[in-house]
Amino acid sequence: TQLLEQSPQFLSIQEGENLTVYCNSSSVFSSLQWYRQEPGEGPVLLVTVVTGGEVKKLKRLTFQFGDARKDSSLHITAAQPGDTGLYLCAGVRIGNEKLTFGTGTRLTIIP
Amino acid sequence: DTGVSQDPRHKITKRGQNVTFRCDPISEHNRLYWYRQTLGQGPEFLTYFQNEAQLEKSRLLSDRFSAERPKGSFSTLEIQRTEQGDSAMYLCASSVNGGGNTEAFFGQGTRLTVV
Repeated sequence: TQLLEQSPQFLSIQEGENLTVYCNSSSVFSSLQWYRQEPGEGPVLLVTVVTGGEVKKLKRLTFQFGDARKDSSLHITAAQPGDTGLYLCAGVRIGNEKLTFGTGTRLTIIP
Repeated sequence: DTGVSQDPRHKITKRGQNVTFRCDPISEHNRLYWYRQTLGQGPEFLTYFQNEAQLEKSRLLSDRFSAERPKGSFSTLEIQRTEQGDSAMYLCASSVNGGGNTEAFFGQGTRLTVV
């Protein structure tokens, strides 16, 4: 079983629409990160959330850490073709320094 | 460029051969991670180092895999007697030991193809 489950696994929407990607776990995390990865490249860090209930915004992207620090969401407003990519959440569990990745969400924005 | 550097970017090898990959982390980062990623999946943890000490190895890491970080700077990942199932992207990341707030920065990866 995966420590971090992402949903949906695949998402294809029209340019201009809004979307939300979820990252869920039964474990508590001391921090959680979101990455975006292009084909053939390494993941690029977008944001880190640390405090339960924390909300961070990066232009049209809004990231939220669950109150219990077990889950997170990524909301994109007015999606653009440049948002296309593999979105990965990754977390560090309390008492374990290892960074564990989620299953990934493949996002395609159709012009 | 002061980011994480991996070499080579691509490697094609015949089954049964040994391969070695190198990772140069960001210079002030004391933690270094290795991950393996297959197409469309999230990265799977292989192992990580704090300075030269290897702190954890995944059960995914068979005895054909070995990683070193001899001087606490660059690291190498060696795969002996490669199999077709080893074909994947091998990713290296580094971070500062910041307790639970660990921001890892990745290299561009080494794409291994075993034929």
